[in-house]
Amino acid sequence: GAGVSQSPSNKVTEKGKDVELRCDPISGHTALYWYRQSLGQGLEFLIYFQGNSAPDKSGLPSDRFSAERTGGSVSTLTIQRTQQEDSAVYLCASTGSGGFYNEQFFGPGTRLTVL
Amino acid sequence: AQSVTQLGSHVSVSEGALVLLRCNYSSSVPPYLFWYVQYPNQGLQLLLKYTSAATLVKGINGFEAEFKKSETSFHLTKPSAHMSDAAEYFCAVSASYNNNDMRFGAGTRLTVKP
Repeated sequence: GAGVSQSPSNKVTEKGKDVELRCDPISGHTALYWYRQSLGQGLEFLIYFQGNSAPDKSGLPSDRFSAERTGGSVSTLTIQRTQQEDSAVYLCASTGSGGFYNEQFFGPGTRLTVL
Repeated sequence: AQSVTQLGSHVSVSEGALVLLRCNYSSSVPPYLFWYVQYPNQGLQLLLKYTSAATLVKGINGFEAEFKKSETSFHLTKPSAHMSDAAEYFCAVSASYNNNDMRFGAGTRLTVKP
């Protein structure tokens, strides 16, 4: 696609429910990143995919968070048993395989509100 | 692990005044440094990046940043603020050539007063 897309743009859920957030990277981009943007916290790295594998999951805050990527394209971030502290904007970014100094291209984000 | 600290979560300037957004980094290897901008209700976009080719880096919209190793800083400046510059600005650092370990600062919200 022309840019990174994310869906839904907004998600309101009740505490304890599971949510799935989707990211569609730029076509042909091999690397994909998930970040969480909380008020006053900046961007918090969650997970990084190279192809379908995740060499770096170090940022996932708890075992309630998981992510997968299939076909080297779309990625889904799943949050189980959501808590109010999970409320944030979840951003996805992708980069190509040019090697040096790859620019991360960001999607518009999914705003998650847990009531 | 590398990290960045942005000094000042909010900066307010008058239109036409100098913009200075501060960023200090920590890295055990020569860093790659970036500034991203996020306009209201939009995704982040790259403003400029330092990749060791030159210490003074020019970006889009008249912004520039200077890499100062002795001060471990990469401050963002613009000589004359415009109303359209109002946004959130993020400094980021990477220790790898392909930037798959990029870490962002907390962000600085820039307000421009008429």
